[in-house]
Amino acid sequence: DVKVTQSSRYLVKRTGEKVFLECVQDMDHENMFWYRQDPGLGLRLIYFSYDVKMKEKGDIPEGYSVSREKKERFSLILESASTNQTSMYLCASNLYGSYEQFFGPGTRLTVL
Amino acid sequence: SQQGEEDPQALSIQEGENATMNCSYKTSINNLQWYRQNSGRGLVHLILIRSNEREKHSGRLRVTLDTSKKSSSLLITASRAADTASYFCATDAGASGSRLTFGEGTQLTVNP
Repeated sequence: DVKVTQSSRYLVKRTGEKVFLECVQDMDHENMFWYRQDPGLGLRLIYFSYDVKMKEKGDIPEGYSVSREKKERFSLILESASTNQTSMYLCASNLYGSYEQFFGPGTRLTVL
Repeated sequence: SQQGEEDPQALSIQEGENATMNCSYKTSINNLQWYRQNSGRGLVHLILIRSNEREKHSGRLRVTLDTSKKSSSLLITASRAADTASYFCATDAGASGSRLTFGEGTQLTVNP
């Protein structure tokens, strides 16, 4: 079975802190994605990556950056956390050319 | 912008009843997927229907797709308490294939 893991289930940070969210997948998938999920807004794509060191902006990239140094790992970085970045963050991955995405359990981030 | 929109936003039924959720979208698609999310967890892929298909079955799930109306429905038959979850439709967003746009979801509650 595909396994996508995220470094934390719950995270509490303070405004202005730099925050790293880590995602690791074990199925050699080329594509990896970061979404945020907010009530009434569904899932919105922040960034995705289709190869090591490659990235593309999603629908809401402002305030975020990403890093993909190894194929199995995709990191989401909040350079200076703000309260409006309090959200559930979901990582996903899939094979190039495939449509089904495999999701991690999510990280619920609270920025105080 | 939101591509998929689910209807209703919330649905409460008794165990054994059927549950129907609808999804509408705005632009042409290659395929449409349905995902399930248990409370506070990641999403799990349920079923994919291609644009040239009209109906697809998987166990107790039945999905229909009407490309002329840009809509899809998910039917869960003989529902169980364990079906309680949020259900999302997702459409592919163009040439990249893997990039999906999710709707806001339908919260299904199945009462024992």
